[in-house]
Amino acid sequence: TQLLEQSPQFLSIQEGENLTVYCNSSSVFSSLQWYRQEPGEGPVLLVTVVTGGEVKKLKRLTFQFGDARKDSSLHITAAQPGDTGLYLCADNTNAGKSTFGDGTTLTVKP
Amino acid sequence: DVKVTQSSRYLVKRTGEKVFLECVQDMDHENMFWYRQDPGLGLRLIYFSYDVKMKEKGDIPEGYSVSREKKERFSLILESASTNQTSMYLCASSRQNSPLHFGNGTRLTVT
Repeated sequence: TQLLEQSPQFLSIQEGENLTVYCNSSSVFSSLQWYRQEPGEGPVLLVTVVTGGEVKKLKRLTFQFGDARKDSSLHITAAQPGDTGLYLCADNTNAGKSTFGDGTTLTVKP
Repeated sequence: DVKVTQSSRYLVKRTGEKVFLECVQDMDHENMFWYRQDPGLGLRLIYFSYDVKMKEKGDIPEGYSVSREKKERFSLILESASTNQTSMYLCASSRQNSPLHFGNGTRLTVT
């Protein structure tokens, strides 16, 4: 059974700071997704990465996929209160199911 | 945009009641899923379906059943609710081998 470990579990920072959160898998990812879940809402897809070494940017968010396709990081530049939420990584297998990490809860204080 | 609609945001039920959680998606997705989300345990897959009338057990199916009579609708059934089924329930849909689109969740409390 694949295990996804995310770190840190909790992160509280001031507006304007930079941060990085991590996702490590016990096995090679089929297809890695990052989701953000705001309080009281369902998770929303941020990005999908497939190729080892891939880097994707979404405004202030930078996603990196490890060369061996077993780890990923999400870097946020100049965090804003609107970035507050639970960040989840997931592996979407060929069978269509997804395995999720436990997430990183980010709080950005004004 | 894909819309996944869960019929209730909040539900309070008594132990032993039969509970129905309804989910509808409007994008003709083949796949539909039910997860529960608990602090410290993340999202755990209960049941999923690849097509009408089809269902597959996920990681924690005990105490639950599902129904998919129409492509757009996937129902989760708690045959006899128990307090350990108090949780946030998330429905999702997807095309084959594509990321999930989630509903906003149903927070169920069983007393």
